[in-house]
Amino acid sequence: DTEVTQTPKHLVMGMTNKKSLKCEQHMGHRAMYWYKQKAKKPPELMFVYSYEKLSINESVPSRFSPECPNSSLLNLHLHALQPEDSALYLCASSQEVRVTEAFFGQGTRLTVV
Amino acid sequence: LAKTTQPISMDSYEGQEVNITCSHNNIATNDYITWYQQFPSQGPRFIIQGYKTKVTNEVASLFIPADRKSSTLSLPRVSLSDTAVYYCLVGLQGAQKLVFGQGTRLTINP
Repeated sequence: DTEVTQTPKHLVMGMTNKKSLKCEQHMGHRAMYWYKQKAKKPPELMFVYSYEKLSINESVPSRFSPECPNSSLLNLHLHALQPEDSALYLCASSQEVRVTEAFFGQGTRLTVV
Repeated sequence: LAKTTQPISMDSYEGQEVNITCSHNNIATNDYITWYQQFPSQGPRFIIQGYKTKVTNEVASLFIPADRKSSTLSLPRVSLSDTAVYYCLVGLQGAQKLVFGQGTRLTINP
């Protein structure tokens, strides 16, 4: 199983809503990542988890809150988002942070209204 | 992290060989070169990685000259399904970050 599964695939939320994005992998990878991608732009790194601990936060606003409950699961909690936060949110995993071969999920297309 | 420069876009035709060059003048001694492919509304997919000379797999070849200041991704006999954005990444194996540059939008025509 070389898949990273993200749910939901699409999400529409209001600016006062609280929602969560979920990411799951069963490859035994110990590094997991959240990226944000706007249309026709490259993915931008948001967070890196290594062995279930947050190791990198790329100065992401606190309205985005990551969580790694166990080695297979990564969540991104969303609260009080702005319309400009609408984007494709990608989750990825790799064996460890020290490898550059990462596996990406299909992403969650988020629209904030 | 070394900065990379790639052509913004390229066009080719089915059955042709396509070469996409990435410039990385500030590559460090321990940096590896990695290429990813991304289709619309999908996550990037790892294609190939190398350190020097030539690497080949079932999908592509990667050519790296001796000075390592550039690299060329070669896609043999492309098809319409190779239309995608191709990203060149350069970084230390232990850098903890995968940082994507602007990428090359490759369009394959019939």
